Amino acid sequence: QKEVEQDPGPLSVPEGAIVSLNCTYSNSAFQYFMWYRQYSRKGPELLMYTYSSGNKEDGRFTAQVDKSSKYISLFIRDSQPSDSATYLCAMSGGSYIPTFGRGTSLIVHP
Amino acid sequence: NAGVTQTPKFQVLKTGQSMTLQCAQDMNHNSMYWYRQDPGMGLRLIYYSASEGTTDKGEVPNGYNVSRLNKREFSLRLESAAPSQTSVYFCASRRGTGSLDEQFFGPGTRLTVL
Repeated sequence: QKEVEQDPGPLSVPEGAIVSLNCTYSNSAFQYFMWYRQYSRKGPELLMYTYSSGNKEDGRFTAQVDKSSKYISLFIRDSQPSDSATYLCAMSGGSYIPTFGRGTSLIVHP
Repeated sequence: NAGVTQTPKFQVLKTGQSMTLQCAQDMNHNSMYWYRQDPGMGLRLIYYSASEGTTDKGEVPNGYNVSRLNKREFSLRLESAAPSQTSVYFCASRRGTGSLDEQFFGPGTRLTVL
């Protein structure tokens, strides 16, 4: 079993939909949780990060962490075609070296 | 400010050939990383350098060597390429000051081993 599990999709939604992306993990030492966005043929870029359980909001994006269930989510409101990308969850402990999920491919069609 | 740069962008090798992937960052970051990304596998850490003068193995180091040439540059060498090393390779860097901070990624090198 991988330390971080993420459904690869693809997830296809119409423009304007609310998108929910999720990851589960098994390592209780993880305390930093990140979401990266990767456009086709580009390097990943950090979208959001959170520390410990709770919610963090940034514009149309909300990151949610439930450490008791070892489950993290990224919500995208009012999704746009420009949000079409692969979203990778990542998490780390005290070493700050992230362990990545496989990534979920998101397609937002007009 | 170029960020993280990687050369070459594309490379085709024959089995058994060697090559070095180059990475440089101009952000004065302490830590640098090499990842490979395969379809359905996510990003897997090959080697990293927490600071100039140090290197450590990651999750998948077999078949690779690294050199932290100076604070700016971190190279990845394949001594005898194998088809299983066909992948997209990403270099990344971060300040690495003992707290969580952002990793910045390069554009990647697409390597095919025939």
